Amino acid sequence: EAGVAQSPRYKIIEKRQSVAFWCNPISGHATLYWYQQILGQGPKLLIQFQNNGVVDDSQLPKDRFSAERLKGVDSTLKIQPAKLEDSAVYLCASSLGATRTDTQYFGPGTRLTVL
Amino acid sequence: SQQGEEDPQALSIQEGENATMNCSYKTSINNLQWYRQNSGRGLVHLILIRSNEREKHSGRLRVTLDTSKKSSSLLITASRAADTASYFCATDAGYSSASKIIFGSGTRLSIRP
Repeated sequence: EAGVAQSPRYKIIEKRQSVAFWCNPISGHATLYWYQQILGQGPKLLIQFQNNGVVDDSQLPKDRFSAERLKGVDSTLKIQPAKLEDSAVYLCASSLGATRTDTQYFGPGTRLTVL
Repeated sequence: SQQGEEDPQALSIQEGENATMNCSYKTSINNLQWYRQNSGRGLVHLILIRSNEREKHSGRLRVTLDTSKKSSSLLITASRAADTASYFCATDAGYSSASKIIFGSGTRLSIRP
């Protein structure tokens, strides 16, 4: 079974530039998550989708971050404009459902460096 | 703020020894999960223990949960080089039926040959 795919794997940009990340979840998984993991910390949930609807975006910095999941499958996360503190690994995860016992499967992540 | 905090922050042991990591949290939880993260396989779910369970096993892993002390421990027996990774506890304290997990800062485990 194919896992969660993410691209690109690495991205280096200058501050104030824009960047977009792409995620393709495991086939059939209704729930998709975007996490931000800063070096030395655990992942922090940014946004959770159930099919193509947003379930939780309470920790998404909406002034600069946006995400969409058109057609309830692939998702993109955008940062516009980027700040130095956005340097992190952005992880996408998916799960079959959204209940408490549904296992989340994580992609390899996109490592973003903002200079 | 992060719900779970792991202890120790870093641990180095000899191959074959047992490794114990602890996680403490602040509020009541629905369940607690442990994840492993290494450069090769990324972030992988290891085990989930519900709030009404006290102990759970999976292969060489043993997880305990003490809700009265708001703490959990992960024991890895007979450690191997491949166990070198960061280990995170993640607590689910959501009030709705949907899952919302919060990760701790992790324990970095190194296995010496």
